[in-house]
Amino acid sequence: RKEVEQDPGPFNVPEGATVAFNCTYSNSASQSFFWYRQDCRKEPKLLMSVYSSGNEDGRFTAQLNRASQYISLLIRDSKLSDSATYLCVVNVEGQNFVFGPGTRLSVLP
Amino acid sequence: DGGITQSPKYLFRKEGQNVTLSCEQNLNHDAMYWYRQDPGQGLRLIYYSQIVNDFQKGDIAEGYSVSREKKESFPLTVTSAQKNPTAFYLCASSRTGAGNQPQHFGDGTRLSIL
Repeated sequence: RKEVEQDPGPFNVPEGATVAFNCTYSNSASQSFFWYRQDCRKEPKLLMSVYSSGNEDGRFTAQLNRASQYISLLIRDSKLSDSATYLCVVNVEGQNFVFGPGTRLSVLP
Repeated sequence: DGGITQSPKYLFRKEGQNVTLSCEQNLNHDAMYWYRQDPGQGLRLIYYSQIVNDFQKGDIAEGYSVSREKKESFPLTVTSAQKNPTAFYLCASSRTGAGNQPQHFGDGTRLSIL
């Protein structure tokens, strides 16, 4: 089993739709979680950290479920500019960051 | 503006040649990292450094070397021993090596074989 797995995608959604991505991790000692977005042929950019109680940043909501070992990202009112690949990143204290393979989102007009 | 600068943006390597990719940051971050990304795949860790004059191998260090003589600089050398170097190389830094500090990336170097 891979350390970090994500919905395979791609997700093709119309503008204004709500879309959710899931990410599962195998190491129960994982402590820090992040979502990054990566545009085609560009570097990953931090979208948001994921906190235990869940957190929201505008149209984006991140949730953490430690018991089931998954995190999720919800995007409301999708914009064309949200089209990108979304990377789930997990860290175990004292070890390195592990990046998921990414889920590609295309928001269609 | 503070940030991470990678150069060059594009690099071509001949057979048997070593090439060096530059990574400089002015964020005063302690930790720096090098990743490789192949088309349609996730990032894989090559080397990382949590403090000046110290670095450790990542998951795919063979055929690569690094140095960390200055806090702001973490160059990566792709040696001739790396038989499949064509990839997108990303440098990142974080405030500390603690896992709760997110990483910030440079805009990458694309390396190809001539």
